[in-house]
Amino acid sequence: QKEVEQNSGPLSVPEGAIASLNCTYSDRGSQSFFWYRQYSGKSPELIMSIYSNGDKEDGRFTAQLNKASQYVSLLIRDSQPSDSATYLCAVPGANNLFFGTGTRLTVIP
Amino acid sequence: GAGVSQSPSNKVTEKGKDVELRCDPISGHTALYWYRQSLGQGLEFLIYFQGNSAPDKSGLPSDRFSAERTGGSVSTLTIQRTQQEDSAVYLCASSLGGTANYGYTFGSGTRLTVV
Repeated sequence: QKEVEQNSGPLSVPEGAIASLNCTYSDRGSQSFFWYRQYSGKSPELIMSIYSNGDKEDGRFTAQLNKASQYVSLLIRDSQPSDSATYLCAVPGANNLFFGTGTRLTVIP
Repeated sequence: GAGVSQSPSNKVTEKGKDVELRCDPISGHTALYWYRQSLGQGLEFLIYFQGNSAPDKSGLPSDRFSAERTGGSVSTLTIQRTQQEDSAVYLCASSLGGTANYGYTFGSGTRLTVV
């Protein structure tokens, strides 16, 4: 049973545009959500966490959570080539995080 | 230490040999996790340690896999009689507490290649 679903992409956006990454989850009781960024050949890096419905902004990144619809999204404003990576959504289980398979983002200069 | 430290960074082994992978979590982090990531695949949970509690081994794929955590700090993942399908990047992560409130910090991983 998949806990977290993401579009695998790839998603390509031009430099300076807004990149929108989406994730749906199956456990209606989930209370916290995480976005990780993984550069090719590197390990995942936590970039955003969100616990409440609505938006959470951190620099160029905005996480959006809608518990009623069971989705969480990540917006990247003014996308840069350095944002090119795979973005993983994660939701807690009993003892561990369940990760989506990730969305590969390419920002085209 | 400042981050999660894993060793070795790369390991090539012959099929049938045993390997040990080491993880040193961030100081003070009570929770430690092992995941593996095969080429082009998602993160697969293997095992979870929390303080002195019994580990959650529910993700271990076979009895060839085992892990221990000594003194609540360093952990070793052992794979016996390695098979080619064990080839993957093995990632260790640690966190301050339960996953409900804290994200993980990952180590840089051990790339295991079984030939």
